[in-house]
Amino acid sequence: AQSVSQHNHHVILSEAASLELGCNYSYGGTVNLFWYVQYPGQHLQLLLKYFSGDPLVKGIKGFEAEFIKSKFSFNLRKPSVQWSDTAEYFCAVGDGRAGNMLTFGGGTRLMVKP
Amino acid sequence: SAVISQKPSRDICQRGTSLTIQCQVDSQVTMMFWYRQQPGQSLTLIATANQGSEATYESGFVIDKFPISRPNLTFSTLTVSNMSPEDSSIYLCSVCSAGWWNEQFFGPGTRLTVL
Repeated sequence: AQSVSQHNHHVILSEAASLELGCNYSYGGTVNLFWYVQYPGQHLQLLLKYFSGDPLVKGIKGFEAEFIKSKFSFNLRKPSVQWSDTAEYFCAVGDGRAGNMLTFGGGTRLMVKP
Repeated sequence: SAVISQKPSRDICQRGTSLTIQCQVDSQVTMMFWYRQQPGQSLTLIATANQGSEATYESGFVIDKFPISRPNLTFSTLTVSNMSPEDSSIYLCSVCSAGWWNEQFFGPGTRLTVL
């Protein structure tokens, strides 16, 4: 079975600081990779996704993620966070062999101090 | 994309009772899923709701406890049966269509508290 690890459970940053959230997965085959965000009181929303091609993908709200196949990683980055980025972030991996099912990481709760 | 609604948005239930959660999508979708998000934890897939046939359950989840229906391509229900406080969670519906390859869209969730 697949597993997805997010190394940071809680992150606290000041506004304008740079952000990098780690995500590693276990499956060695072809994968589709996602980052979802859950703002306080809201439902899960897709931030960005990687299916193939350029390993550096850009998402909404200035977020980007880099797929490094050799490291089984898909880290999320943002050069300058804002208070409105306070949310919980989930990495998810889709294994094409298993249809459309996703395996989620444990989540990272980000708090940005104004 | 898809717009997904869930009913109820939240409920407080007594131990031993059952609750049925509805998930409605504004367009026909290929696949529908049910997840559980326990307090402070990540999402765990309960089952895939299959249209016209029995749901496919993940390890640790059984039909007697979480019966699922999917009568058509836009609607599904999840029942949490014989509830205990350990069932207190957020239950989420998600959908995916063939053209969206692995991209799932999530409903707002149902927050369940069992006393």
